[in-house]
Amino acid sequence: DAKTTQPTSMDCAEGRAANLPCNHSTISGNEYVYWYRQIHSQGPQYIIHGLKNNETNEMASLIITEDRKSSTLILPHATLRDTAVYYCIVSRRTGTASKLTFGTGTRLQVTL
Amino acid sequence: SQTIHQWPATLVQPVGSPLSLECTVEGTSNPNLYWYRQAAGRGLQLLFYSVGIGQISSEVPQNLSASRPQDRQFILSSKKLLLSDSGFYLCAWSENTIYFGEGSWLTVV
Repeated sequence: DAKTTQPTSMDCAEGRAANLPCNHSTISGNEYVYWYRQIHSQGPQYIIHGLKNNETNEMASLIITEDRKSSTLILPHATLRDTAVYYCIVSRRTGTASKLTFGTGTRLQVTL
Repeated sequence: SQTIHQWPATLVQPVGSPLSLECTVEGTSNPNLYWYRQAAGRGLQLLFYSVGIGQISSEVPQNLSASRPQDRQFILSSKKLLLSDSGFYLCAWSENTIYFGEGSWLTVV
């Protein structure tokens, strides 16, 4: 699976959009971009994933560049409860025996 | 809807004692199942995965073992715990996306 690079930490004011970048320059054509987050002492929570097109759900939006070498997770109106470590993972679609490799992620701190 | 449960949530075990963590998934059949570990301040490390009953693949050689006696049951075990086995253990299942359980905190003393 391709490796990803994320900033170690970011701050965001409550109510503002949080834009979390991720570089995955060695991504393959059949690899998806997944985003998870982990709040302290809890299991990682799935947020969103995409292949080529931008995706949006009730939690976030995922913007993938045309060359697919980078992506941005957007939390449109960050709240204090969005404070967590956010992981960007590139992997083949999880079907039979696909395994997600977690890096160190971005620690997002949402402040008042 | 699908749910995943693992237990116990926390446990403190002496060095050399056995371990059994259990995980069950409901609302799906023949899921892929996983055990991850997260040491304090570290990232998640995949320990085992299973694509079916009795089929276990180990990612990292270690003091632990896994078993899948039933389709939706995944067990993590050890015969003799080491101090280095302390950590946060997570069970997960997948169809198109991986979903994680609540986690189990293990402290070996």
